[in-house]
Formats: sequence, C-alpha cells, structure tokens
Amino acid sequence: DTEVTQTPKHLVMGMTNKKSLKCEQHMGHRAMYWYKQKAKKPPELMFVYSYEKLSINESVPSRFSPECPNSSLLNLHLHALQPEDSALYLCASSHSLALGEKLFFGSGTQLSVL
Amino acid sequence: ELKVEQNPLFLSMQEGKNYTIYCNYSTTSDRLYWYRQDPGKSLESLFVLLSNGAVKQEGRLMASLDTKARLSTLHITAAVHDLSATYFCAGIGSSNTGKLIFGQGTTLQVKP
Repeated sequence: DTEVTQTPKHLVMGMTNKKSLKCEQHMGHRAMYWYKQKAKKPPELMFVYSYEKLSINESVPSRFSPECPNSSLLNLHLHALQPEDSALYLCASSHSLALGEKLFFGSGTQLSVL
Repeated sequence: ELKVEQNPLFLSMQEGKNYTIYCNYSTTSDRLYWYRQDPGKSLESLFVLLSNGAVKQEGRLMASLDTKARLSTLHITAAVHDLSATYFCAGIGSSNTGKLIFGQGTTLQVKP
C-alpha cells in the first residue's frame, strides 16, 4: 500500500461551520504534512508532524488546527474560515524527516468557503 | 530562506520535439525534487536528485542536478500528449525539517 488517502475529496463550507479534513497512510511513515495549494500556484507548507508531534507550524492562522492522533492519521480541523482559505489541501507523508526522503502526496481535498 | 525559480512558466510544444525546463535555486539545497501535477490532481513524485552531477531518467524525462550552478534541469525528449501537465521542482528549505520549497511550476502543453 503506497497510498495517502484523503477525505473528503470536495468540501463546501460556510464561514461559521466547523469541519475536518482527514488523511491516512499505512506505509509506516512517521512524518506527515499539510500543504495548501491555491489555483495555478505551487503548494505551500502549513504543518509538519514527526512521530506524532508537531514539528513545524508555518505561522498558520489558528482557524486551522492540526491533529495527529496516531502514526497513520492526520487531521486538519477547520473553524471560522474565510473565503480566501478556499484552496486544494494536500496531505503528504514520508518515512521520516531525513534528507532525501520522497514525499507521497494524497489526492487532496478541494475546499470552497462561501 | 531558499527560493526556487523555474522557467519557462508555460511551454507549448509540438509532439516529437525536445525541450528543457530550468530550475534555479538561491541557496544550498541538499536535495532537489521534481513533481508532476495533472489539473485538479495531486502531485506525483518524478525524481529525487541527491548529489552534484546526479542524472536520472524515466521514459522521455531526464533530470539533472548541478549544485555548483544551483541549477536543475528537466529534459523532455520527443514529447507526447500524455506529458501535458504542470511540473514543479522543489528544494529542501532547511535540513531535517522536511520543508519543501516549490518553484512556481511549469505548465507544459503538448500539441499533436
């Protein structure tokens, strides 16, 4: 199994809603990532977890709240988002944070905030 | 912080032609990655280049790395329509953090 699975694939939410994005991998990877990608732009790192601990927070607004309940799962909790938060949210994993490790990306969640 | 710049940003080419995408980066990056992304889809890893002079090839794509020039290239040989996609290069923003810094992306359109 070399897949990173993200659900849902599409999400439409209002600015007062609370929703969660989910990411799962069963490759035994111990590093997991959230990236945000706006249309026609490159992905931008949001968070990195290493061994279930938050390693990097790229100054992401608190309306985005990551959670890593175990080594296979990564969640991104969303609350009071703004329309400019509409984007493709990509989860990725790698064996570790060591140099040269390939990142495996999920198919993404296309988020629209109304 | 590392900055990664690609050129061209858009490339329209005929099937059967050869072309090269260039990726320049501003500071030392221990590794250089190439990814492919189809519209509305995720990123597919193409190559990881680990050291100066590294060259990797798969099918019609060949990637190389010159760390002294801070330059990586992705060469396309005899392009086919299936290669139409956006190609990103990325470097490591800081060691042991897993932080990839991506270039702007090159959108490749191969016409029959």
